[in-house]
Amino acid sequence: DTVMTQSPLSLPVTPGEPASMSCRSSQSLLHSNGYKYVNWYLQKPGKSPQLLIFLGSNRASGVPDRFSGSGSGTDFTLKISRVEAEDVGIYYCMQALQFPVTFGGGTKVEIK
Amino acid sequence: QVQLVESGGGVVPPGGSLRLSCAASGFTFTDYGIHWVRQAPGKGLEWVAIVFYDDSSNKYYADSVRGRFTISRDNAKNTVYLQMNSLRAEDTAVYYCARRGLMEGHPVDYWGLGTLVTVSS
Repeated sequence: DTVMTQSPLSLPVTPGEPASMSCRSSQSLLHSNGYKYVNWYLQKPGKSPQLLIFLGSNRASGVPDRFSGSGSGTDFTLKISRVEAEDVGIYYCMQALQFPVTFGGGTKVEIK
Repeated sequence: QVQLVESGGGVVPPGGSLRLSCAASGFTFTDYGIHWVRQAPGKGLEWVAIVFYDDSSNKYYADSVRGRFTISRDNAKNTVYLQMNSLRAEDTAVYYCARRGLMEGHPVDYWGLGTLVTVSS
């Protein structure tokens, strides 16, 4: 199974400042079609997860452009260019290249 | 709009059974695979199972539930089920059904609100 490791566990942020978090996979998530099969989700407090980024760098419909994803075959990054108060919650990466689907343990973003 | 509504959760003793349902609307149900993903209290997300659009033998399970849980779908009712047998305390979680997207990479693109399963005597 592909293990997804996220860091940091907790990320205190200041509104208006940038934020960055990491996700590392135990196996390459680079598909033969050239796409990276990693997705990012935000779970706001008391809510269901919502899709932010798919294929490593593609914003889902309605996701603000302050969110961006990047990475190689095994190391991925989610960046928020200017954090807003509504961005608090737990961010999860997920690999969809093979079954079983696996999630990282999450990075909790909170306002300082 | 896309809606996924889970039901069937509750309190069940260890060793017991429960069947969860996921009613879908707002999209062409037969085009999509559906996942079950769970979240134990205060913990992260754990994928459970997937059934593809045609309820064929094309289903996958997490090792932690294989042989105890069975996923199925009724396309006439736009509903996916998760039959859970031999339940254990560690199966206690909110269970979400979620749609497998059609875009490249097939991300999970919509989630339900979840239903809570508590395994306790």
